[in-house]
Amino acid sequence: GAGVSQSPSNKVTEKGKDVELRCDPISGHTALYWYRQSLGQGLEFLIYFQGNSAPDKSGLPSDRFSAERTGGSVSTLTIQRTQQEDSAVYLCASSLAGRTSNEQFFGPGTRLTVL
Amino acid sequence: DQQVKQNSPSLSVQEGRISILNCDYTNSMFDYFLWYKKYPAEGPTFLISISSIKDKNEDGRFTVFLNKSAKHLSLHIVPSQPGDSAVYFCAASWTFNAGNMLTFGGGTRLMVKP
Repeated sequence: GAGVSQSPSNKVTEKGKDVELRCDPISGHTALYWYRQSLGQGLEFLIYFQGNSAPDKSGLPSDRFSAERTGGSVSTLTIQRTQQEDSAVYLCASSLAGRTSNEQFFGPGTRLTVL
Repeated sequence: DQQVKQNSPSLSVQEGRISILNCDYTNSMFDYFLWYKKYPAEGPTFLISISSIKDKNEDGRFTVFLNKSAKHLSLHIVPSQPGDSAVYFCAASWTFNAGNMLTFGGGTRLMVKP
């Protein structure tokens, strides 16, 4: 079956512009996560969605970052007024439910470059 | 403050030998640990995990060891194969963390030479 897909695969933008990154999770997975990997760093948790519950936004680095998940499926991560430090690979993952026993399946990521 | 650390950014091993990747953590609440493998331009893929109630978990060529008193875990790959060349991430979570968000280390690039 299809895995987690993300689009675009690469995005180059100018400082100050807004960007939207999309994630299509595996069908039937109720849990969805966004992480980012800055150059030379590990993956950093950003936000978590579980079903229809309010998302856990505790990892978002600033109020310029927001995300939504429509219909419990597709998710969009929006970064407003992008800054150069936002340059990173943004990874989406999904799992059956948000439990430690549930494997998180990752998409290929969106590489964001802010000039 | 990094709660999960992989102090070796890279490791080079000869094919057929053992690869040992190390990971240290500071948060004593962590009770579930995972290793992910990542190839370039792909997302990380799950490799093996271990619960804190165990000190060893084995799956084929891959074995993860957990030393809770030292807050240290390691991944052993034996025998190493060229296809194992990738970046390996250690990750941790805790059972009562609603949502199971993972905290990752910085990764270790493994190169297995033929």
